[in-house]
Amino acid sequence: NAGVTQTPKFQVLKTGQSMTLQCAQDMNHEYMSWYRQDPGMGLRLIHYSVGAGITDQGEVPNGYNVSRSTTEDFPLRLLSAAPSQTSVYFCASSLSLAGGQDTQYFGPGTRLTVL
Amino acid sequence: DAKTTQPPSMDCAEGRAANLPCNHSTISGNEYVYWYRQIHSQGPQYIIHGLKNNETNEMASLIITEDRKSSTLILPHATLRDTAVYYCIVRVAGSNTGKLIFGQGTTLQVKP
Repeated sequence: NAGVTQTPKFQVLKTGQSMTLQCAQDMNHEYMSWYRQDPGMGLRLIHYSVGAGITDQGEVPNGYNVSRSTTEDFPLRLLSAAPSQTSVYFCASSLSLAGGQDTQYFGPGTRLTVL
Repeated sequence: DAKTTQPPSMDCAEGRAANLPCNHSTISGNEYVYWYRQIHSQGPQYIIHGLKNNETNEMASLIITEDRKSSTLILPHATLRDTAVYYCIVRVAGSNTGKLIFGQGTTLQVKP
């Protein structure tokens, strides 16, 4: 298994540009999520999904959209990038949210800079 | 989810055991203790978790006190590659959002 993969590894955007951060997993995990990590802030949950066709907001969802059309993929879209979205983005997945199946595995991250 | 307290930093000699403590005095009966680590610039890596019994896997051992108010992660033979920030997280299994709350963690420096 490749585990959780993320593309791109690095990205530089100008303010107002849009882009999609890709996340995929090959473990048949139902649960997937997106976090951002800023210096001194720890990881904060942006959006999550408990299965294909089901998504919900985390604690910092503004400025981000998600969709889950397949079990494998969970892309994160920035519609109009802002400098405040400069961060490192991590995708994570787990088999489910049920007890005993909720250990989460993280991807390598995407480092985004918005100028 | 219960709050956790960890020392901000620790040193360990290469080849020796690294013992990382975590206090979680407000833990409730249905909350698990999880340990993750983050090596510089990489994604968090799951290490181990437990409810009340001690646990061991190929990476580490987790010792939970009988009252469950504290725990210790043990890396039996630390290597330079174990240098990382270690996070102790307490959460209810089967939470509605799956959100993991990463605190400040303990920065472990393994020295030759």
